[in-house]
Amino acid sequence: DSGVTQTPKHLITATGQRVTLRCSPRSGDLSVYWYQQSLDQGLQFLIQYYNGEERAKGNILERFSAQQFPDLHSELNLSSLELGDSALYFCASSALTGPYGYTFGSGTRLTVV
Amino acid sequence: TQLLEQSPQFLSIQEGENLTVYCNSSSVFSSLQWYRQEPGEGPVLLVTVVTGGEVKKLKRLTFQFGDARKDSSLHITAAQPGDTGLYLCAGPRGRVSGGGADGLTFGKGTHLIIQP
Repeated sequence: DSGVTQTPKHLITATGQRVTLRCSPRSGDLSVYWYQQSLDQGLQFLIQYYNGEERAKGNILERFSAQQFPDLHSELNLSSLELGDSALYFCASSALTGPYGYTFGSGTRLTVV
Repeated sequence: TQLLEQSPQFLSIQEGENLTVYCNSSSVFSSLQWYRQEPGEGPVLLVTVVTGGEVKKLKRLTFQFGDARKDSSLHITAAQPGDTGLYLCAGPRGRVSGGGADGLTFGKGTHLIIQP
């Protein structure tokens, strides 16, 4: 157990739908990062939150959004889902800001049918 | 965005053999990290290298950061089946200075299989 908890572990949904992925960071970590992993693109950085505020954005689609709550857990919302959104979504956390080592969760496997 | 190229993409060898995998970029990185990922799990950090020419050892794994901080290598001695996994290198996105908090850029990884 890495200390970063992601739910659900698997999610199957239809095109056009909306889903919410949840992440609880490791105790004491203020930064939460979301990544998407697909076979062709590899691990892609989506977005980062630090202590409740958006800190950095990567290759995140406009159909996707995220937030970090006062208790530091984070949610990634994916809407108007397309087949191409099928991927593994990982959350990672770190105590610091900056390019230091992260602790990753086990991921949510999203399948859009 | 700075790109990281990893080679080889796939590697299958016998238990007990040695191997080296590579991570290369045309850009300078302030630091590089290596992760290992097993099926159904998230990447696990193995090491961070921050100084050009730095060598770090983790049991049978030896990590090297190039003098120009554009490349890194991972050498495994006497590979074991437990070393099987996807090995990823990663570096800070954007700035050479490494300051700021803008996530990591990852290479696509080397899929390593160690056969008993």
